[in-house]
Amino acid sequence: GAVVSQHPSRVICKSGTSVKIECRSLDFQATTMFWYRQFPKKSLMLMATSNEGSKATYEQGVEKDKFLINHASLTLSTLTVTSAHPEDSSFYICSAGLAANTGELFFGEGSRLTVL
Amino acid sequence: AQSVTQPDIHITVSEGASLELRCNYSYGATPYLFWYVQSPGQGLQLLLKYFSGDTLVQGIKGFEAEFKRSQSSFNLRKPSVHWSDAAEYFCAVGAYGGATNKLIFGTGTLLAVQP
Repeated sequence: GAVVSQHPSRVICKSGTSVKIECRSLDFQATTMFWYRQFPKKSLMLMATSNEGSKATYEQGVEKDKFLINHASLTLSTLTVTSAHPEDSSFYICSAGLAANTGELFFGEGSRLTVL
Repeated sequence: AQSVTQPDIHITVSEGASLELRCNYSYGATPYLFWYVQSPGQGLQLLLKYFSGDTLVQGIKGFEAEFKRSQSSFNLRKPSVHWSDAAEYFCAVGAYGGATNKLIFGTGTLLAVQP
């Protein structure tokens, strides 16, 4: 199956700093990637749809200036948490599909962000 | 709007016993339905999916699920649970618009397996 990789898997940062998380499709090209956030003991909340070569589409209630998404190539999307605060601490997961409307998404391993 | 409900937050079964995890969905058209499993601190692994055709779908690790349109359900089953099945299970419905294929997830069911 298709492989999606995230880096870093864990990151700890100080409040007020910015953190970048990378999501790569290793063996396929992904024009669209999705970023999810998972709170402890909670489900996955879709944050945004990352579109290669264009602006990301954010879900209602997600601050686009706080969570910057860049999809500069067909194999890489990045999520930057700007001016991080402790409430941004969470598990962030990216996913990508092989082609539009096939339905199946492949998920990265997730990135655990802890803001001190 | 699309939504997924998993009524059971936490289930405990004995090893070797049968398992059924419930999932109900709300979607205006024929849904694409998925079950994913997540081990602690890990990403998600696809167990099985339903797009069309046979309503009983076979997946990996001995899991199966049945799509019942009349009940808007897609329950996950396994005849004999193994200790390694302890994990969190998520049901999801595919929400499609244009060229995108985002998934909407249920709240998850945490499965514990007793020896």
